[in-house]
Amino acid sequence: DAGVIQSPRHEVTEMGQEVTLRCKPISGHDYLFWYRQTMMRGLELLIYFNNNVPIDDSGMPEDRFSAKMPNASFSTLKIQPSEPRDSAVYFCASIDALVNEQFFGPGTRLTVL
Amino acid sequence: AQSVTQLGSHVSVSEGALVLLRCNYSSSVPPYLFWYVQYPNQGLQLLLKYTSAATLVKGINGFEAEFKKSETSFHLTKPSAHMSDAAEYFCAVSNRDDKIIFGKGTRLHILP
Repeated sequence: DAGVIQSPRHEVTEMGQEVTLRCKPISGHDYLFWYRQTMMRGLELLIYFNNNVPIDDSGMPEDRFSAKMPNASFSTLKIQPSEPRDSAVYFCASIDALVNEQFFGPGTRLTVL
Repeated sequence: AQSVTQLGSHVSVSEGALVLLRCNYSSSVPPYLFWYVQYPNQGLQLLLKYTSAATLVKGINGFEAEFKKSETSFHLTKPSAHMSDAAEYFCAVSNRDDKIIFGKGTRLHILP
């Protein structure tokens, strides 16, 4: 398996623009997580899904953030409108529930100017 | 509620010296415990995990961690530091359900 795949790896956009981050989890993993990492706040859990259903979105910072998982092999995290304070590295991760081991993608580095 | 505390946001050791990264957890049930490593510009990789088998867990790259229930600790050690060990290390806890809670991380610096 290729591991968790995220795209794009880098995104630079201007304030007010819509940003969409994409994730493909490892096949067979039925949990998917979105994290945000910054120097100031460290690694924050934004939202996670089980079998494509959102379970806990309490970490989503504002209504500007939304996440979907239309099927078991794809998820998106959307920010609309984006703001400079959204600049961070966004990670997607999926879990092999049998061994409770979380696998991370390489991340998307988002810069909002 | 479960939580993880990592003592020291930055730790510096000399090359060849002992590495000790501290982690204390809080959990209402016997936990699963993890150490992850993050190299610059990369995602997190699993170093090792404790799942209620042996209390001394050996991981990749010569790292190991010992689960001490009486101290609620899961400290990470390596006998001899190498320059390539410079990275950020995250301790994490899970109550065997779906969510893993991460600590704030400890950045390890290796001095030549």
